[in-house]
Amino acid sequence: NFVLTQPRSLSESPGKTLTISCSRNGGSIASHNVQWYQQRPGRSPTPIIYEDDQRPSGVPDRFSGSIDSSSNSASLTISGLKTEDEADYYCQSYDDNNHAVFGGGTKVTVL
Amino acid sequence: EVPLVQSGAEVKKPGESLKISCKASGYRFTSYWIAWVRQMPGKGLEWMGLIYPGDSETRYSPSFEGHVTMSVDKSISTVFLQWSSLRASDSGIYFCARFTRAGNFDYWGQGTLTTVST
Repeated sequence: NFVLTQPRSLSESPGKTLTISCSRNGGSIASHNVQWYQQRPGRSPTPIIYEDDQRPSGVPDRFSGSIDSSSNSASLTISGLKTEDEADYYCQSYDDNNHAVFGGGTKVTVL
Repeated sequence: EVPLVQSGAEVKKPGESLKISCKASGYRFTSYWIAWVRQMPGKGLEWMGLIYPGDSETRYSPSFEGHVTMSVDKSISTVFLQWSSLRASDSGIYFCARFTRAGNFDYWGQGTLTTVST
């Protein structure tokens, strides 16, 4: 199967822009949709990006997703950072047998 | 309205059996896969496998196959995750989540905290 690799932690100041990478090892990042989830402490994950770059209703447009075939990776960008954006973020994809894979998660700190 | 509601927290001893549940509502239960995801204390999300309520087809992660069993009761729109012999390393939070054709988990249960300890 394949592996999704994320940085363990990132920090940035309020109002700035932060980008989380998700690198795929094994197969093409474009072969199957990539999703992103936000998880605050003690809560269930909530989807913030699906199908590479789509936002569920209610998710602010400060959150955006993309994929880059040249680097075989996906990215989640959060612009205009707010303290409420402090959370763990996970990328996720899957294979032809609906076997899902999660990245290891990135802890975002808004200083 | 959250369409997936899970059973409550459990405290068990190693070697005991356990069955936790995830009840769906508000959508056509038999048309979506339901997955189970583990989160060990302070760790990330691990996909365990999924079940299709329409025909009970299951697909397991190699990391969990043979140690857990997923099942469904269509009459009560509920999927189950069970262990016949728990280990201390099974402690964690178990989430169920609905898996769509686009490959994403669009709804998640609230999680079931499971503690396995002597």
